[in-house]
Amino acid sequence: NAGVTQTPKFQVLKTGQSMTLQCAQDMNHEYMSWYRQDPGMGLRLIHYSVGAGITDQGEVPNGYNVSRSTTEDFPLRLLSAAPSQTSVYFCASSRGQVDGNTIYFGEGSWLTVV
Amino acid sequence: LAKTTQPISMDSYEGQEVNITCSHNNIATNDYITWYQQFPSQGPRFIIQGYKTKVTNEVASLFIPADRKSSTLSLPRVSLSDTAVYYCLAEGTGANNLFFGTGTRLTVIP
Repeated sequence: NAGVTQTPKFQVLKTGQSMTLQCAQDMNHEYMSWYRQDPGMGLRLIHYSVGAGITDQGEVPNGYNVSRSTTEDFPLRLLSAAPSQTSVYFCASSRGQVDGNTIYFGEGSWLTVV
Repeated sequence: LAKTTQPISMDSYEGQEVNITCSHNNIATNDYITWYQQFPSQGPRFIIQGYKTKVTNEVASLFIPADRKSSTLSLPRVSLSDTAVYYCLAEGTGANNLFFGTGTRLTVIP
């Protein structure tokens, strides 16, 4: 079972570069979301989607873009990387309000901006 | 917004029972409460979910009183490997389902 798959697992960027973190799920989940987690901190919601073609901002959306053209994929784009975006990024999916919205996470992407 | 409140951290000795309480004053009648566990360098993982009264699985128990304004995650006889961050989420609508907050950092001491 693949579940939620994120790529790349590790990435180093220079300040000002752009990149896309890929996320795919094979569970036919309607909800997908991106979180960042800084050392010793909790998860902060960046962007989320409640279905294909629908996206919305979370707690910390600045500097990031998302799109949801298919149910399976939810890429996160960093427009112009900054050192403050150095973090671990987690993609997640869930069925929404079915089964109590149990959330399934990917393994994380470690991003360093220098 | 069905927000939750948990203690920031807890310490426990090995072999003890640990109870972590989560306050959720504003959940709807049919909302579920879900607890997740996160180890360092990993994404959170589901451990237990409940709607009312008591739920037990091989890992933990979840107690939800009749007024549903709080819930308690109970970990029996913790071991060092239970050291992790535990998050309580209350189901809501849209993004209300998705806010994790800071969680409770449990440290199990030998």
